[in-house]
Amino acid sequence: AQTVTQSQPEMSVQEAETVTLSCTYDTSESDYYLFWYKQPPSRQMILVIRQEAYKQQNATENRFSVNFQKAAKSFSLKISDSQLGDAAMYFCAYRSVYNQGGKLIFGQGTELSVKP
Amino acid sequence: DVKVTQSSRYLVKRTGEKVFLECVQDMDHENMFWYRQDPGLGLRLIYFSYDVKMKEKGDIPEGYSVSREKKERFSLILESASTNQTSMYLCASSLIDAWRPQHFGDGTRLSIL
Repeated sequence: AQTVTQSQPEMSVQEAETVTLSCTYDTSESDYYLFWYKQPPSRQMILVIRQEAYKQQNATENRFSVNFQKAAKSFSLKISDSQLGDAAMYFCAYRSVYNQGGKLIFGQGTELSVKP
Repeated sequence: DVKVTQSSRYLVKRTGEKVFLECVQDMDHENMFWYRQDPGLGLRLIYFSYDVKMKEKGDIPEGYSVSREKKERFSLILESASTNQTSMYLCASSLIDAWRPQHFGDGTRLSIL
């Protein structure tokens, strides 16, 4: 069975600085998808970024980028030029391409605070 | 935009009650999911459905059941609520392709007294 681990329960960053959130996963599959989701306080969970395992190139979405190391089974999220609105709980998630229904396996979450 | 609507943001029930949590999506998504979110544990999948009247157990189905009579609606049922089911419940939906993101509702914070 696949597992996802986020070893940093809490992180803090100064506004305008860069922060990296860590995520590792365990799987025997060769093809899968990895996601980072953001859950602001009392607000809806939204997708931040997605990475396909078969792609070597790291995904980027504006100030958000990932460092995907397939052999190491590592998938970290880098937030550049941090803004107050980035404060949220961040979840890393794994999705197999093989199982029906496409369920997500989540990590424990990292709570990010942004200091002005 | 995709809209996933959960019937209640906050709900307080008593031990032993039968509890219904409703979820409706408006984008004709095949897949629907119920998660439970607890601090330090992330989100854990309770049940999911990939078609009408189809359901599959997730990682923590004990004490729960689900119903999907129509494509847009997915209900979570606590047959006899217990205090250890106090939690945040999140509903999500997605298209069937594995690369498609899941879209989440606002969540229901359920307290069982």
